Amino acid sequence: DAGITQSPRHKVTETGTPVTLRCHQTENHRYMYWYRQDPGHGLRLIHYSYGVKDTDKGEVSDGYSVSRSKTEDFLLTLESATSSQTSVYFCAISDAARRGDRGYEQYFGPGTRLTVT
Amino acid sequence: QQQVKQSPQSLIVQKGGISIINCAYENTAFDYFPWYQQFPGKGPALLIAIRPDVSEKKEGRFTISFNKSAKQFSLHIMDSQPGDSATYFCAASRMDSNYQLIWGAGTKLIIKP
Repeated sequence: DAGITQSPRHKVTETGTPVTLRCHQTENHRYMYWYRQDPGHGLRLIHYSYGVKDTDKGEVSDGYSVSRSKTEDFLLTLESATSSQTSVYFCAISDAARRGDRGYEQYFGPGTRLTVT
Repeated sequence: QQQVKQSPQSLIVQKGGISIINCAYENTAFDYFPWYQQFPGKGPALLIAIRPDVSEKKEGRFTISFNKSAKQFSLHIMDSQPGDSATYFCAASRMDSNYQLIWGAGTKLIIKP
């Protein structure tokens, strides 16, 4: 999985509790992304980062925040988890420094299955 | 205008047959169209991609056909094998979007032996 790890891999939590998911990369890629995957919706972008401390919102950012204090780590926080945030969360990275099409290619981590009860 | 519509949702093909998955887009500013393959329990992985100035791209048994005027592109898997059983996603991006990918909803492909 291109030097990308996600932790935890599985988590069950209760409604209203805060949750932080971690993405760690060893590729030194500039861009990092958080997606959620739900049946019938494909992959939806939550937030992304284009450098240390540079982040922006994606399509479904409400209820989520992110932080990136180091190139290798991108954290996704659910401040107060809700049942609608039960999903599989994927982190991805891309190296925009590559020329041509290689800059677009995203490499995905193994995913985190989050269940909010 | 940002949507990418993918069909069918699911597809069953006999071993050795041709699998065809279609996608349509609205935004003519898109300039990169990849297909990703995802096996159960894994993250998606890039399979093949095309630029809008090319009508077809082939890599092994996988071919993208691109119709710019119709704003449609499709993935063809020739001689489909049980190992091709996976979920396939089309996507689209444009250079000025911080490399964001806009994703189709996915197609679950089952190849019957």
